[in-house]
Amino acid sequence: TQLLEQSPQFLSIQEGENLTVYCNSSSVFSSLQWYRQEPGEGPVLLVTVVTGGEVKKLKRLTFQFGDARKDSSLHITAAQPGDTGLYLCAGDRQGNNDMRFGAGTRLTVKP
Amino acid sequence: DVKVTQSSRYLVKRTGEKVFLECVQDMDHENMFWYRQDPGLGLRLIYFSYDVKMKEKGDIPEGYSVSREKKERFSLILESASTNQTSMYLCASSLFRQPQHFGDGTRLSIL
Repeated sequence: TQLLEQSPQFLSIQEGENLTVYCNSSSVFSSLQWYRQEPGEGPVLLVTVVTGGEVKKLKRLTFQFGDARKDSSLHITAAQPGDTGLYLCAGDRQGNNDMRFGAGTRLTVKP
Repeated sequence: DVKVTQSSRYLVKRTGEKVFLECVQDMDHENMFWYRQDPGLGLRLIYFSYDVKMKEKGDIPEGYSVSREKKERFSLILESASTNQTSMYLCASSLFRQPQHFGDGTRLSIL
């Protein structure tokens, strides 16, 4: 069982559609990160959220951290083919000096 | 920009061989990590290190060992490679409790 459960595992949509992906856990995190990974490359950090209820925007991407700091969501508005990739969430548990990753959501945006 | 360099992009080894994967970072980060990434399982932490000569087991340390003799270099060792260790291996570094910076990965095949 993954510490962080991401859903859906796969998502295929048309250009221009909106989407939301989720990252859930029963653990409390000091912070939570979202990364995007493209084929043949390592994950690249998109955002870090640290405060319960926090909302951060990165152009067409909106990230939210749950009030209890156990879950997060990523919403993409008007998806574009360039958004295609594997989206990973990762959490830094309270009292631990390590990071745990979810299995990821593989997003495909068709032109 | 932080640079995390993994010594090989692709590597093919035989069952029973001793395999070394090398990782170097250039930003004086205290923390370094080794993950393996498999489809549907996401990134699983093998070992991490928060200082020179220090190491901590992650979630799946069996069959692996690590070495951190210098701050910038973190080596992953497969003592006797087995076919179930065929995977993508990712190295990362970070400052204390900060987001991680990843290398581009080593795709290792054990025949």
